[in-house]
Amino acid sequence: DAGITQSPRHKVTETGTPVTLRCHQTENHRYMYWYRQDPGHGLRLIHYSYGVKDTDKGEVSDGYSVSRSKTEDFLLTLESATSSQTSVYFCAISEPRTSTDTQYFGPGTRLTVL
Amino acid sequence: RKEVEQDPGPFNVPEGATVAFNCTYSNSASQSFFWYRQDCRKEPKLLMSVYSSGNEDGRFTAQLNRASQYISLLIRDSKLSDSATYLCVVNMDNYGQNFVFGPGTRLSVLP
Repeated sequence: DAGITQSPRHKVTETGTPVTLRCHQTENHRYMYWYRQDPGHGLRLIHYSYGVKDTDKGEVSDGYSVSRSKTEDFLLTLESATSSQTSVYFCAISEPRTSTDTQYFGPGTRLTVL
Repeated sequence: RKEVEQDPGPFNVPEGATVAFNCTYSNSASQSFFWYRQDCRKEPKLLMSVYSSGNEDGRFTAQLNRASQYISLLIRDSKLSDSATYLCVVNMDNYGQNFVFGPGTRLSVLP
């Protein structure tokens, strides 16, 4: 399995509080992604990074920000959590130099906003 | 039209059955294609990449038809452990990493 960890794995928080989710990889892959997965919607891209300090928005980026100060870490921040951000969040990595540009996923973070 | 569409499912099949999933994609310039498997409350895991010539891995066969923009996954001799949601994934960017996921098709293999 690819070396991807996410922390925390579960979190319950209240509306209006800031939340930061962390993704850590040991594969030295250039690309990192944050997705959310909700019933009826499948996986939707929030933000992605194509290098240190290089990030871009995905399909559902409103209310989220990201940072990548090191190759191995990609942080997702909810500045002021809302109940609509209750979801399962997955981090993924990929490396386009390889023969198969495959994504590998972390175990996910289950976030509940009350 | 959604970028990647899949059979809505769910598929409920008996052990030993053969089952096929279909997927269509909208961007004719898409370059790479994958099938992922996702178990309940777990992360998606790569099942197989899909190559132009078609490819097989044990009981699993994937086919790509670029002209029709269509991908398929065939599972032969279904096992109980095959029960999962199967995600079709397309990288729509020739130079980047624009992975688009289908909504998934749920499979339940029954004893």
